Amino acid sequence: AQSVTQPDIHITVSEGASLELRCNYSYGATPYLFWYVQSPGQGLQLLLKYFSGDTLVQGIKGFEAEFKRSQSSFNLRKPSVHWSDAAEYFCGGGGTSYGKLTFGQGTILTVHP
Amino acid sequence: GAVVSQHPSRVICKSGTSVKIECRSLDFQATTMFWYRQFPKQSLMLMATSNEGSKATYEQGVEKDKFLINHASLTLSTLTVTSAHPEDSSFYICSAKAASQETQYFGPGTRLLVL
Repeated sequence: AQSVTQPDIHITVSEGASLELRCNYSYGATPYLFWYVQSPGQGLQLLLKYFSGDTLVQGIKGFEAEFKRSQSSFNLRKPSVHWSDAAEYFCGGGGTSYGKLTFGQGTILTVHP
Repeated sequence: GAVVSQHPSRVICKSGTSVKIECRSLDFQATTMFWYRQFPKQSLMLMATSNEGSKATYEQGVEKDKFLINHASLTLSTLTVTSAHPEDSSFYICSAKAASQETQYFGPGTRLLVL
């Protein structure tokens, strides 16, 4: 069965530090992969997506993610975190019937000043 | 582009009443819309998938008679929680995607509180 796993429930970083949020997937074929961000009480905003091609994907707000087939991973990175990046981040995988997405458990990011 | 709205943003109702939540794609035609439920501090749980003009496909364990979904046009889907009970209190989020596109765009969510 297709699944997406985010191993880290909660990550705390200092403002200005680099960030990496982990995402692992289990799919038969290469899935479509997404990263979304959710602020408290809000919907999800698309950060970036990977369908095929270049394995390093650039997104909004200075985020990037790298697809590594050998590690079944699609980790999200940012070189310098801002306080406004504090939110919950969801990794999602799709490409199955009807375009359904499977989400990971989410990672809460806390940014210390 | 790709804006999805939901209405209302929050609703409080009495137990036993029905509540309708609207999901609209504002600047694109959404051939498929998805309805999710999110409990506090948890991930999104897909409830159902609706294609315009067709009956919704419900995920296992979701009561189709309790959560009525209508997708009558390419820009509007509605979720009606019938005979709501306190355990139906949750955050409901919709998403929409256009034909032949894989990206889902999410609405801002609706917080339902059943007293």
